[in-house]
Amino acid sequence: KQEVTQIPAALSVPEGENLVLNCSFTDSAIYNLQWFRQDPGKGLTSLLLIQSSQREQTSGRLNASLDKSSGRSTLYIAASQPGDSATYLCAVSWGKFQFGAGTQVVVTP
Amino acid sequence: GAGVSQSPSNKVTEKGKDVELRCDPISGHTALYWYRQSLGQGLEFLIYFQGNSAPDKSGLPSDRFSAERTGGSVSTLTIQRTQQEDSAVYLCASSLRPPPSGSYNEQFFGPGTRLTVL
Repeated sequence: KQEVTQIPAALSVPEGENLVLNCSFTDSAIYNLQWFRQDPGKGLTSLLLIQSSQREQTSGRLNASLDKSSGRSTLYIAASQPGDSATYLCAVSWGKFQFGAGTQVVVTP
Repeated sequence: GAGVSQSPSNKVTEKGKDVELRCDPISGHTALYWYRQSLGQGLEFLIYFQGNSAPDKSGLPSDRFSAERTGGSVSTLTIQRTQQEDSAVYLCASSLRPPPSGSYNEQFFGPGTRLTVL
């Protein structure tokens, strides 16, 4: 069965620390993997998409890595800010996307 | 438009009534997806369209749920005889191409429709 898991479910860090968010998936035969953030009461905002042939993708303070063989992706957010507080979702495509339950992040000033 | 839009943003209805939810994808996006997010739950895939056809309807929870897409653009999700367990946020997304298509499969989401069934 194809499943996506995000641990921990919640995370709190002081401002300025680097954030490390984990996503694991069964079945390494993925097409791509996408990271989103969701603010309370809002839709999802796309952060990064990593294709199956890529090892990492970067955008500003965000860096996402992909290791298909171990079924893992990690989202790094450098020098966290209170505005980074949100729920971060990982979605894996084996055809259609399947989502993890998300990691709720709080960055304290 | 600049992004995916959905209407209404909020819908309150009585149990047993029918509701229609609308999604306008990004112009030129051929693939369109519907998801449901219940309180405290993850995103649940409902259906996806390639053009006007739906290759994957596997996530529709019952025959009370149906969806259509016309002109390769606007999509409507219809829930008949609503039940309280249908209460959720319904999210629509679109991508330039359907899966699998590398970076063209990147999904962009609308703000959602919050459905409350009393």
